[in-house]
This record gives sequence, C-alpha cells and structure tokens, in this order.
Amino acid sequence: DGGITQSPKYLFRKEGQNVTLSCEQNLNHDAMYWYRQDPGQGLRLIYYSQIVNDFQKGDIAEGYSVSREKKESFPLTVTSAQKNPTAFYLCASSTGTGGETNEKLFFGSGTQLSVL
Amino acid sequence: GESVGLHLPTLSVQEGDNSIINCAYSNSASDYFIWYKQESGKGPQFIIDIRSNMDKRQGQRVTVLLNKTVKHLSLQIAATQPGDSAVYFCAENALTDKLIFGTGTRLQVFP
Repeated sequence: DGGITQSPKYLFRKEGQNVTLSCEQNLNHDAMYWYRQDPGQGLRLIYYSQIVNDFQKGDIAEGYSVSREKKESFPLTVTSAQKNPTAFYLCASSTGTGGETNEKLFFGSGTQLSVL
Repeated sequence: GESVGLHLPTLSVQEGDNSIINCAYSNSASDYFIWYKQESGKGPQFIIDIRSNMDKRQGQRVTVLLNKTVKHLSLQIAATQPGDSAVYFCAENALTDKLIFGTGTRLQVFP
C-alpha cells in the first residue's frame, strides 16, 4: 500500500470507549490525512496535517482527535463523543509540496471500526 | 472494507469490452482531477490524473477525458479484465482547496 501502514485492520469499540487508529508512513511525506468512508458516500476528510506539530480540522472533525508528533506518524483517536463511529477509516499522505493539496494522495489499506 | 460500495451505481461489462466510467464534478475552479481504484477491503489506488490545461491523458489501458465546459470527467478502460473489478472514484481539487471525492462507481466484469 505505497509505504503507508494502518493498524489494526479491524477494530471494535465498546460504548463510551476511546479507540486509537494507527497510521505510519515511510515515504518521507510532509502531509497526512484521515478520511472516513461510509457506504454510498465519497471519502470525507476528518483531519489533516501539513507539517509536524500542526494539524487542521476537516469537514467532519467532531468526535475525533489527532496528533502529529513525528513526521512518520498520524494517529487518529475516535472518542466517545463520536456517536456513529462505524465506518472504514483511511489514512493518506502526500508530499505536500504542490500547494495545499493539488497533488495525488497515497492511501493505506484502511481500518474497519465497528461498535460492539 | 466490506461495507464499501453497497449502494453505489454499478457498471457491468463483459471481459474484453471497453468500460467508460463517468463523473460530474462540482467546482468550476477545480484544476486537478484524479481517478482512484478501490478493491474490496483495500485503500484507494491511484490510476491516473489530469490537469485542467489538458483534455485527454492516456496511461496503460486507461484514458481520462476532461470536458471543462460541462464539468465532466470520464475514465475509459480498454479491454476490461476481471482484475479491473473494483469501485472507481474521481476526485477534484482547486489549488486553494482540498481534494473532493465523488461517491464512486462499482465496475463488475463478467466472463
């Protein structure tokens, strides 16, 4: 998957629990992204980061949190405030040199999150 | 994942035929377009891209056509193979904005 590793492949969350999805890339990319994918809908942007120690909210950031302490890593936490977390979560990266995002993204293999 | 593509429009083609997948984009200021292929349980894979200063771009067995007048993008796959079965997404981007993804089209190839 182009040097982007997401784990775990499947994750189950209990009510009231926070869970963290891992995303690591070895492409030396500056920019990283988290998307949510639901059936019949396009990818929706949760958070993105253009540089270490900086990140911005996407279109559906509520109930999620991220950190970018290292260039290679961009973990996503799904908090208990996210009432409908069941979805396929995709992490992506890009070089970040072509304007804000005018360049192709490289995706990981995804994490399927389900609620118990 | 397994939940991807349950309610998507579907294009069914016979193996060996050409496939044409269409996409209408929304932002007239978009100047960069990408097609992605997503197989079940996997992340999207880049297929081909095109910038707005071009009308057509060809890759290996794939061609992307851009009609800016009607804001329409298409992906043509020549001699479709079973391995082409997947969900295909278009994405658009204006320089000062983020990538916007379409809802996707499922391509089914039958023998």
